[in-house]
Amino acid sequence: QKEVEQDPGPLSVPEGAIVSLNCTYSNSAFQYFMWYRQYSRKGPELLMYTYSSGNKEDGRFTAQVDKSSKYISLFIRDSQPSDSATYLCAMSAKGGSEKLVFGKGTKLTVNP
Amino acid sequence: EAEVAQSPRYKITEKSQAVAFWCDPISGHATLYWYRQILGQGPELLVQFQDESVVDDSQLPKDRFSAERLKGVDSTLKIQPAELGDSAMYLCASSLSDLPTYEQYFGPGTRLTVT
Repeated sequence: QKEVEQDPGPLSVPEGAIVSLNCTYSNSAFQYFMWYRQYSRKGPELLMYTYSSGNKEDGRFTAQVDKSSKYISLFIRDSQPSDSATYLCAMSAKGGSEKLVFGKGTKLTVNP
Repeated sequence: EAEVAQSPRYKITEKSQAVAFWCDPISGHATLYWYRQILGQGPELLVQFQDESVVDDSQLPKDRFSAERLKGVDSTLKIQPAELGDSAMYLCASSLSDLPTYEQYFGPGTRLTVT
């Protein structure tokens, strides 16, 4: 079993839809949870991060962490064609030099 | 806005040849990372530098891969000899050493195709 599992999709939704992206993990030591967005032929860019459990909102994006279930989610409200990209979850056990463990990424297409 | 620079952007090489990638991190970033991202997978850390020192190279296939950051600024990743399975995107990232791991800034990557 991989430490981080993420459904690769692809996921196709109409413009304006609410998108839900999810990851599960097995390492209970993970405390930092990140979501990266990666456009085609580009490097990943950090969207949001959450420390431990709880919710975090930034504009149309909401990140949720449920440590008891080892499950994290990213919600995108009012999705736009410009949101079309691959979304990667990533986790680490602690800050500082602890390495990130990434999921496979979910490819999202938002159709106009 | 400062960015991580990588070159070349694309590289095609034949099996058994040597290949090298270059990365210039954001100015002032002491920590530099090299990742390999196979198509359809997430990035996997190959090597991490703190200034010119290697912090983690546990996933670097040392029989064919080498990495250096001689002056603690830019870095080179080399593969010799290249194998078909090395075809992937090679990503460089950098961060300020005193920030948590998530504050990594990625470059555009070098897409390597081994034929």
